[in-house]
Amino acid sequence: AQKVTQAQTEISVVEKEDVTLDCVYETRDTTYYLFWYKQPPSGELVFLIRRNSFDEQNEISGRYSWNFQKSTSSFNFTITASQVVDSAVYFCALRGGYGGSQGNLIFGKGTKLSVKP
Amino acid sequence: DAGVIQSPRHEVTEMGQEVTLRCKPISGHNSLFWYRQTMMRGLELLIYFNNNVPIDDSGMPEDRFSAKMPNASFSTLKIQPSEPRDSAVYFCASSSGTSDIQYFGAGTRLSVL
Repeated sequence: AQKVTQAQTEISVVEKEDVTLDCVYETRDTTYYLFWYKQPPSGELVFLIRRNSFDEQNEISGRYSWNFQKSTSSFNFTITASQVVDSAVYFCALRGGYGGSQGNLIFGKGTKLSVKP
Repeated sequence: DAGVIQSPRHEVTEMGQEVTLRCKPISGHNSLFWYRQTMMRGLELLIYFNNNVPIDDSGMPEDRFSAKMPNASFSTLKIQPSEPRDSAVYFCASSSGTSDIQYFGAGTRLSVL
């Protein structure tokens, strides 16, 4: 079975602090894909990043960075110098590489990040 | 480019009424997904279509729920009859064959009284 665990339900930081959101996944697929989405207070789901299981290189995009470690089945997300606009719920998701549910995204429960001014 | 368009954004109805949610995927995308988001269960897939054909409907809660995709640019999710426990935010998402990134609509917030 596939599963995504985001153990941090809520995190509160002060602006300019760095914050890391944890994501641990379970899958028996050898090919799989990992995603992060942002859900701001307005409610829409915004795609942030996609990673396949063969690419363990860390990725940086502005203040955002992602650390993918297959050895620990983790795909953590770090925001550097957080800003109030980063306040949102962040979801980690997993998709298997084959099978009847090929298109299905399995979502974690999300981590609510509050950035205080 | 227009993103995934869902309508209505908000729907309030009474128990027993029929509810129809609508989705227009991104032009050129050939996969369409319906998800439901609740506090208790989080985000869960209801059904998805590939090239207008339902592929996996194992997440559809019960016979009161049905989904159709008559063409590549339109899909509906119908609940008949609606019940208070159906209250949730329903998201539609689409993706293309060349990229499996799912792009989500703004969602429909459904309240069944």
